[in-house]
Amino acid sequence: DIQMTQSPSSLSASVGDRVTITCRASQSISSYLNWYQQKPGKAPQLLIYAASSLQSGVPSRFSGGGSGTDFTLTISSLQPEDFATYYCQQSYSTPRTFGQGTKLEIK
Amino acid sequence: QVTLKESGPALVKPTQTLTLTCTFSGFSLSTSGMRASWIRQPPGKALEWLARIDWDDDKFYSASVNTRLTISKDTSKNQVVLTMTNMDPMDTATYYCARDVTKGLDYWGQGTLVTVSS
Repeated sequence: DIQMTQSPSSLSASVGDRVTITCRASQSISSYLNWYQQKPGKAPQLLIYAASSLQSGVPSRFSGGGSGTDFTLTISSLQPEDFATYYCQQSYSTPRTFGQGTKLEIK
Repeated sequence: QVTLKESGPALVKPTQTLTLTCTFSGFSLSTSGMRASWIRQPPGKALEWLARIDWDDDKFYSASVNTRLTISKDTSKNQVVLTMTNMDPMDTATYYCARDVTKGLDYWGQGTLVTVSS
């Protein structure tokens, strides 16, 4: 199985900050990397697919990058509604493994 | 409009078999390229992908629970069913179904919490 490792596990930031979350795959997954946002008590929502493509309806302050084994999710200017947990997931092979999550908290 | 909804028991006893149903609308699992996946999330923990079924009836399972899982579909009812045998308290989690397309899990159900306790 491909292991996905996110860093950091948690992050404190302020409204307006620029933040970056990283995700590393245990082997090359080309650009088969997706990012999800999950708010407490809610189902995850797809933010970015194929490493850098923005899902319809997702604000442009979200962006993704990387290929191979190293990927990033960047939020250019944090808004109050962005405080949530973020997960990466590889769709290169089954099982479709997730990272352990990054909890973004208000400073 | 794509929607998915999970249903099943909220409480099961250890060693029992869990059967969850995902009822969806807005797409068909008989359409080429369409898939559906089950994912679970123990309280306060990360997401864990469990199983997937494809439009052509191919099935894929997580290695960690492979021997205990069965996924199936009823295209006439727009349903996907997940069966997990020999339930254990460690299987307590919210179980989600999601539409699985090339770009990822683009639509999710609201999830259903299953507690395993005697």
